[in-house]
Amino acid sequence: DSGVTQTPKHLITATGQRVTLRCSPRSGDLSVYWYQQSLDQGLQFLIQYYNGEERAKGNILERFSAQQFPDLHSELNLSSLELGDSALYFCASSVAVEPTGELFFGEGSRLTVL
Amino acid sequence: AQSVTQLGSHVSVSEGALVLLRCNYSSSVPPYLFWYVQYPNQGLQLLLKYTTGATLVKGINGFEAEFKKSETSFHLTKPSAHMSDAAEYFCAVRGSGGSNYKLTFGKGTLLTVNP
Repeated sequence: DSGVTQTPKHLITATGQRVTLRCSPRSGDLSVYWYQQSLDQGLQFLIQYYNGEERAKGNILERFSAQQFPDLHSELNLSSLELGDSALYFCASSVAVEPTGELFFGEGSRLTVL
Repeated sequence: AQSVTQLGSHVSVSEGALVLLRCNYSSSVPPYLFWYVQYPNQGLQLLLKYTTGATLVKGINGFEAEFKKSETSFHLTKPSAHMSDAAEYFCAVRGSGGSNYKLTFGKGTLLTVNP
């Protein structure tokens, strides 16, 4: 158990809909990362937050947005969903913004868009 | 910018045989390198990491990796494969400079262990 909690574990929805994925980082971790894992693209970095502020942005679509709340949990919002958005979405956390620290991953939220 | 190339999307070995999973990186600054393992229906778990110092790094479950700067490689090895090693393995890199501490992952190598 990494200590990172993601909900829901599975989500099935239709094209055009909007979903919210939630992540609770490990106790004491200030930094949260979101990754998308798909068969064709592999693990793609989406966005990073540190103590409530956006720190880095990756290949995140404009239809996607995220935020980190004062209690440090984070949400990833996916809107106007397309079939290609079907993927496993991982949240990871780390203790601080430091280059040698590992990321601790949750078990992921599997999104299926029909 | 950093990138990682994992050679071989699928590696199959017999139980008891040597495991060798290849990873080459590209980085404009001294890299920090990581190997993660993903078991079915689970998140990623750190196997080992190289930051500075000794270039041969030992990790969990008997795995080790050697950082070779001249070859820009960080290959993962285990002397004797066990059935429980069957999983997907990801190499990742992070640059030591700047403030962007995300990990950039390779596309992964699926390890199959045959009895």
